[in-house]
Amino acid sequence: DAGVIQSPRHEVTEMGQEVTLRCKPISGHNSLFWYRQTMMRGLELLIYFNNNVPIDDSGMPEDRFSAKMPNASFSTLKIQPSEPRDSAVYFCASTRDGYGYTFGSGTRLTVV
Amino acid sequence: DQQVKQNSPSLSVQEGRISILNCDYTNSMFDYFLWYKKYPAEGPTFLISISSIKDKNEDGRFTVFLNKSAKHLSLHIVPSQPGDSAVYFCAGTNNAGNMLTFGGGTRLMVKP
Repeated sequence: DAGVIQSPRHEVTEMGQEVTLRCKPISGHNSLFWYRQTMMRGLELLIYFNNNVPIDDSGMPEDRFSAKMPNASFSTLKIQPSEPRDSAVYFCASTRDGYGYTFGSGTRLTVV
Repeated sequence: DQQVKQNSPSLSVQEGRISILNCDYTNSMFDYFLWYKKYPAEGPTFLISISSIKDKNEDGRFTVFLNKSAKHLSLHIVPSQPGDSAVYFCAGTNNAGNMLTFGGGTRLMVKP
């Protein structure tokens, strides 16, 4: 099993640009989570999907952030427009019915 | 409002000694707690968990203790090894694994 796959591993972009982060969950997992890690706030949940449906997006910081899960094997997290304070490591994780919680390796985003 | 707090951002321990990482929570609905370990440039990986009906769970060198009345849990690593140097996150959940709420993490450094 390849695990949870995130791309890109690193992203450097200029303020105001659109950024799209991608995640492929583990095959057979039915829940997908997007987290953000910062020094100040640790690991914070942004949004999670169950069976491709967004269940809780209360952690999404602003309207600039959006997430989609068009099918069971793919999800995106988009930031438009990006700002320097969005710089962080973004993790995707997946589970099957709450078990086997597995994280991807993360995308380190730097907005300059 | 941080529901899970790890008040020590870092901890330094000598190899062979015990490492004790602490975690406090405020959400009395949490019924399951987990510890994750994170190396640089990798996603967090599951380490050990405990159900709220227990007060101790042991797995090799790792033991987690839960004090429900104090809303406090701790992770003991004994003996500590240099390879244990990582960031440790504790997390709580109220439905056996979905939607984990993480603390801010503690960086453990085990010196040879």
